[in-house]
Amino acid sequence: DQQVKQNSPSLSVQEGRISILNCDYTNSMFDYFLWYKKYPAEGPTFLISISSIKDKNEDGRFTVFLNKSAKHLSLHIVPSQPGDSAVYFCAASRIKAAGNKLTFGGGTRVLVKP
Amino acid sequence: AAGVIQSPRHLIKEKRETATLKCYPIPRHDTVYWYQQGPGQDPQFLISFYEKMQSDKGSIPDRFSAQQFSDYHSELNMSSLELGDSALYFCASSLLGETSQETQYFGPGTRLLVL
Repeated sequence: DQQVKQNSPSLSVQEGRISILNCDYTNSMFDYFLWYKKYPAEGPTFLISISSIKDKNEDGRFTVFLNKSAKHLSLHIVPSQPGDSAVYFCAASRIKAAGNKLTFGGGTRVLVKP
Repeated sequence: AAGVIQSPRHLIKEKRETATLKCYPIPRHDTVYWYQQGPGQDPQFLISFYEKMQSDKGSIPDRFSAQQFSDYHSELNMSSLELGDSALYFCASSLLGETSQETQYFGPGTRLLVL
């Protein structure tokens, strides 16, 4: 049973436009959410996170929105740049004393066309 | 800034052999995580350590063991290797803050191929 799902396996967007990546989760105990970007043969790179007490967090070109009632979060990248072409993973965890393991979605491959 | 270091980056082993993967966390980070990513799959959590004690355990086979040492580096020991163990193995580290909302930073991974 996949607790974190990214239903769009791929996304193609024109340079300069907005990229919107979606993520759904089923476990209501998750209270911390992160987005990672991954290039082939490299480790995931942290982009942005959001706590369940917030509904929006912004960092430069990246904004994450959280809708707790719908158990849905999204990542907006604007403007999209060719260097943003990568696989993006949504991840969720439960805040506890130590060792907050991440549960990942299946990833969305983003292609930004020049 | 210093990142998570993993060694080796690539490893080729035969079936039934053993392998040891090493992870050096970001300085001052107190928690280490191990993840396994099979071909075309998302990373799956294996095990984590906080202050040298096992803090959580995921879908780690009994053939695998891990520990965190006094200098906070960690080693993942894999025995009786099987073809299905071929995967990317990521280590991540974090610093447990007051809010317990710590961000995990990943290393470049070790690509293990079992022949």
